[in-house]
Amino acid sequence: ELKVEQNPLFLSMQEGKNYTIYCNYSTTSDRLYWYRQDPGKSLESLFVLLSNGAVKQEGRLMASLDTKARLSTLHITAAVHDLSATYFCAVDRETSGSRLTFGEGTQLTVNP
Amino acid sequence: DTGVSQDPRHKITKRGQNVTFRCDPISEHNRLYWYRQTLGQGPEFLTYFQNEAQLEKSRLLSDRFSAERPKGSFSTLEIQRTEQGDSAMYLCASQRATQETQYFGPGTRLLVL
Repeated sequence: ELKVEQNPLFLSMQEGKNYTIYCNYSTTSDRLYWYRQDPGKSLESLFVLLSNGAVKQEGRLMASLDTKARLSTLHITAAVHDLSATYFCAVDRETSGSRLTFGEGTQLTVNP
Repeated sequence: DTGVSQDPRHKITKRGQNVTFRCDPISEHNRLYWYRQTLGQGPEFLTYFQNEAQLEKSRLLSDRFSAERPKGSFSTLEIQRTEQGDSAMYLCASQRATQETQYFGPGTRLLVL
């Protein structure tokens, strides 16, 4: 059974600081996704990582994938309040019809 | 708006009643997924369709749950004889093809009293 673990689950940081969220998964996966969710809202796609060594950046967020270590990271650079949200990583396997298995989420709070 | 839409956005019902939710995917997305999310957790997969065919169902999907996608476009999720444990956000997502992003709708928040 595919399992996805994120850490930390809760992260409180100051504006301007850098931090990294980690996502570990238990078995070989074809693809890894990062989503953002604001309170009471649906999920917004951030990144899709398709291969080992993939790195994608958008604004202050950068995601990377190491399939050998079964690890993805979401790095936050110079955080701003608008980044406060819950971040989920999810993996899928083509053999399971691309259904996503999500981590528990990391609740990020950026304080002024 | 060309995103995934869901209706209703909120539903309050009494235990034992039946409820039905609708999802309209992004046009030309042939894959459609249903997930359930409870407070403080990540979404959990329920079922998915490729065109009109329901290809996989999770063990979470008890006999009280049924989903359809009759013409390969919109989908419905029905819950019969609702229980308090069914209270959750029900999310629909659509995908054009594998290796591509699943786009999520706004969700239907169900509260069973």
